[in-house]
Amino acid sequence: AQSVSQHNHHVILSEAASLELGCNYSYGGTVNLFWYVQYPGQHLQLLLKYFSGDPLVKGIKGFEAEFIKSKFSFNLRKPSVQWSDTAEYFCAVNAGPGGGNKLTFGTGTQLKVEL
Amino acid sequence: NAGVTQTPKFQVLKTGQSMTLQCAQDMNHEYMSWYRQDPGMGLRLIHYSVGAGITDQGEVPNGYNVSRSTTEDFPLRLLSAAPSQTSVYFCASSPTRLSSYEQYFGPGTRLTVT
Repeated sequence: AQSVSQHNHHVILSEAASLELGCNYSYGGTVNLFWYVQYPGQHLQLLLKYFSGDPLVKGIKGFEAEFIKSKFSFNLRKPSVQWSDTAEYFCAVNAGPGGGNKLTFGTGTQLKVEL
Repeated sequence: NAGVTQTPKFQVLKTGQSMTLQCAQDMNHEYMSWYRQDPGMGLRLIHYSVGAGITDQGEVPNGYNVSRSTTEDFPLRLLSAAPSQTSVYFCASSPTRLSSYEQYFGPGTRLTVT
């Protein structure tokens, strides 16, 4: 079974700082990878996803993530965060074609951006 | 197009009571699932369904039942509520016939069991 690790549980940044949130997964086969965001009091929304092709994926609101297969990683980045990026961020993995739709989530990273 | 809807938004139960959390989607998605979200534990899969009449267990199924009589609806039943079931519950759906496995989430139900 696959598992997902997010090592940063709480991150506090000042506006305009750069962001990188770590995500590592354990699964030996083909995977689909996702980052979801949950703003305070809201439901989960998809930030970006990787299925195949270019390992550098761009998502909404200036976020991007890089899939590094050799490191089993899918880290989320943003060059300059804004106060409105305060949210909880979840990395998730799906075991590729034939693995069905089941998603395994990481434990989440709570990001607080200070003015 | 309402997407994924869940009712109620909030619920307080006493230990031993039963209730049903409702989930509906109007996107004709074949796959639906229920997750619970607890602090520091992310989202954990409770039950899922790949189509009407087909359900299966996820990671944490004990204490919950599901059924899928229609494509649109996927209710989650708590048979005898326990304080350990205090959580936020999210329903999600996705189309299985496409190569995309993106899941669309509902707004959640916050359940407290006293």
